[in-house]
Amino acid sequence: DAKTTQPTSMDCAEGRAANLPCNHSTISGNEYVYWYRQIHSQGPQYIIHGLKNNETNEMASLIITEDRKSSTLILPHATLRDTAVYYCIVINTGTASKLTFGTGTRLQVTL
Amino acid sequence: ETGVTQTPRHLVMGMTNKKSLKCEQHLGHNAMYWYKQSAKKPLELMFVYNFKEQTENNSVPSRFSPECPNSSHLFLHLHTLQPEDSALYLCASSQRQGAQETQYFGPGTRLLVL
Repeated sequence: DAKTTQPTSMDCAEGRAANLPCNHSTISGNEYVYWYRQIHSQGPQYIIHGLKNNETNEMASLIITEDRKSSTLILPHATLRDTAVYYCIVINTGTASKLTFGTGTRLQVTL
Repeated sequence: ETGVTQTPRHLVMGMTNKKSLKCEQHLGHNAMYWYKQSAKKPLELMFVYNFKEQTENNSVPSRFSPECPNSSHLFLHLHTLQPEDSALYLCASSQRQGAQETQYFGPGTRLLVL
C-alpha cells in the first residue's frame, strides 16, 4: 500500500489560499488520493478525492502531478474554521474499507 | 452535518458499568464502521459491517460487542471496560464501490472510563 508524507504543520493567514502538499511516490495506478480533515475533537470530514485529473468541489481543489507521485490540496480562501489536521491518504479497493490516517498536517489559520 | 449521527456525544462510565453507543446513518449506505481514536494516536479500525454482516473484527477485545440490526443502525455495547479504553469512538458509513468508496464520519462519542 502506498504511504504518504505530509509536513507536520503549516500556517496560513485568513483569506489567503492554503496549499497543503502530500507526497505519495509509491502510488499504484489503481489507487486514489483522498483528503480528510479533523477539527479538534470532531469526527474526520471528507474533503475531496481524485485519481489523476485535478478535481474541484465547494470545499477545495485537488491538484495531482502528472506522474501522480504528489498532490496539493488547495483551500482557496482559508478561514479560521479551516484550522484542523489535514490527512492525505491513498486508497485502493482492498483498503477502502480500512482507513488509516497518518499524522497529517496541522493547519493553523491566523488573523 | 454529514448524515451520520452518534449518541451520546459524551459518556462517563465506571469499569463495572454496561453502556451502549448508538450510530445512525441517513445516507442510504450499505456499510458501517466503528473506529477508536485515542489521544495522540492514529485512528484505529475496530469493526466493519457490510449489509448488516460483520466482515472485519480488528482483534478487538470482547468487552466491546457490536450490533448491526439493519443497514442504518450500528451499536457498540460496552461492558467491564478499562481506563485505557477512554477515547473518541467514531462511527462511519459508506456505499461499497471499490476504491472510490468514501466514508462519512459521525461526530463521535467521547468516552471516559473511571
